[in-house]
Amino acid sequence: DGGITQSPKYLFRKEGQNVTLSCEQNLNHDAMYWYRQDPGQGLRLIYYSQIVNDFQKGDIAEGYSVSREKKESFPLTVTSAQKNPTAFYLCASSMQGRSGGYTFGSGTRLTVV
Amino acid sequence: AQKITQTQPGMFVQEKEAVTLDCTYDTSDQSYGLFWYKQPSSGEMIFLIYQGSYDEQNATEGRYSLNFQKARKSANLVISASQLGDSAMYFCAMRSNNAGNMLTFGGGTRLMVKP
Repeated sequence: DGGITQSPKYLFRKEGQNVTLSCEQNLNHDAMYWYRQDPGQGLRLIYYSQIVNDFQKGDIAEGYSVSREKKESFPLTVTSAQKNPTAFYLCASSMQGRSGGYTFGSGTRLTVV
Repeated sequence: AQKITQTQPGMFVQEKEAVTLDCTYDTSDQSYGLFWYKQPSSGEMIFLIYQGSYDEQNATEGRYSLNFQKARKSANLVISASQLGDSAMYFCAMRSNNAGNMLTFGGGTRLMVKP
């Protein structure tokens, strides 16, 4: 079955470390997105990519980096520059111009210890 | 810029009753789409219903319907015959066709269904 796989489900990071969250999709979708969700709040866009080897900053890109070397993969790195990284991270994908919205992964919960 | 407002942080509804979750939006675009997602405690985002800005009829999907009032920029979700499994966070979102297909989300409403 097609879908989006995020890993790991839970991630613990020590202060000052970089960590990378994985997002893989087999839906043949062109566009991929990373969102951050804080407890009891909505989703905020970190980065998005509409085609391979191209990506743009979203509303809260500071302290994060991404790459899009393959259509299927859009990993997110949370760098040490991100001062408050503890949050729930959701990856999504969509076809360009598709009216049906996004397909979401199951999320990664990152905690700084 | 797009903005989505959900004014109800939390709501209770009695099982088997209907409930309306409010959503207003702000955009200067003529072509856009409105979505509702359900997020249970597991964290996954479940697509519920979609309404296009040029759709003349309100969207319906099973027990979900979207009360679309374009002039008021309102897209309320109506859940009929609430079930205990409907307890979750609900998010309204908008995609502008001029904004790279990105979804902008509201802050969400936590719905709690009472037995």
